[in-house]
Amino acid sequence: AQSVSQHNHHVILSEAASLELGCNYSYGGTVNLFWYVQYPGQHLQLLLKYFSGDPLVKGIKGFEAEFIKSKFSFNLRKPSVQWSDTAEYFCAVNAPGTYKYIFGTGTRLKVLA
Amino acid sequence: DTGVSQDPRHKITKRGQNVTFRCDPISEHNRLYWYRQTLGQGPEFLTYFQNEAQLEKSRLLSDRFSAERPKGSFSTLEIQRTEQGDSAMYLCASRREGGMYTGELFFGEGSRLTVL
Repeated sequence: AQSVSQHNHHVILSEAASLELGCNYSYGGTVNLFWYVQYPGQHLQLLLKYFSGDPLVKGIKGFEAEFIKSKFSFNLRKPSVQWSDTAEYFCAVNAPGTYKYIFGTGTRLKVLA
Repeated sequence: DTGVSQDPRHKITKRGQNVTFRCDPISEHNRLYWYRQTLGQGPEFLTYFQNEAQLEKSRLLSDRFSAERPKGSFSTLEIQRTEQGDSAMYLCASRREGGMYTGELFFGEGSRLTVL
């Protein structure tokens, strides 16, 4: 069965610090990978996605993620965080041709101004 | 607003009562999902519809839970004889299939259930 692990549950950073959130998945085949963000009081929205091709994908608001197949990882990065990045971040996996999306437990990021 | 709509946004009920949540997906999306999210957890898959057909129901859903999607448009999730353990945020998401498929799930703002 597919599973997703996010090891950082809570992260606190100062503005301008660099961010890296870990995501590892468990699935032997081809996968589609996603990062979703949930700002306080808002719905989940897509940050970025990987289907195939260049393993370094860029998303909205300066976020990027790198797919490393050998490590079953899809870590999220941002060189310089802002206070407005305070939110909860979820990694998700979907096997192509299937309909189920499996989410990690989330990482709550707090950025101090 | 052309996003996914959920109603009600918040429901407080007493144990043993029945509750029903409604989800209106984005109009051209034929795929609809229900997820449940509790504090400190990510969304957990509950059930999935392709048009009006319910293709999978998670083992997380007991017999007290039922979901429908008549005519392949809006969907309802009903919980009968609610228990305190049912307290959670119930999320609806939709997705389209076809030439413009991006794989992205579009989520509603959720319906928060509190069972007293």
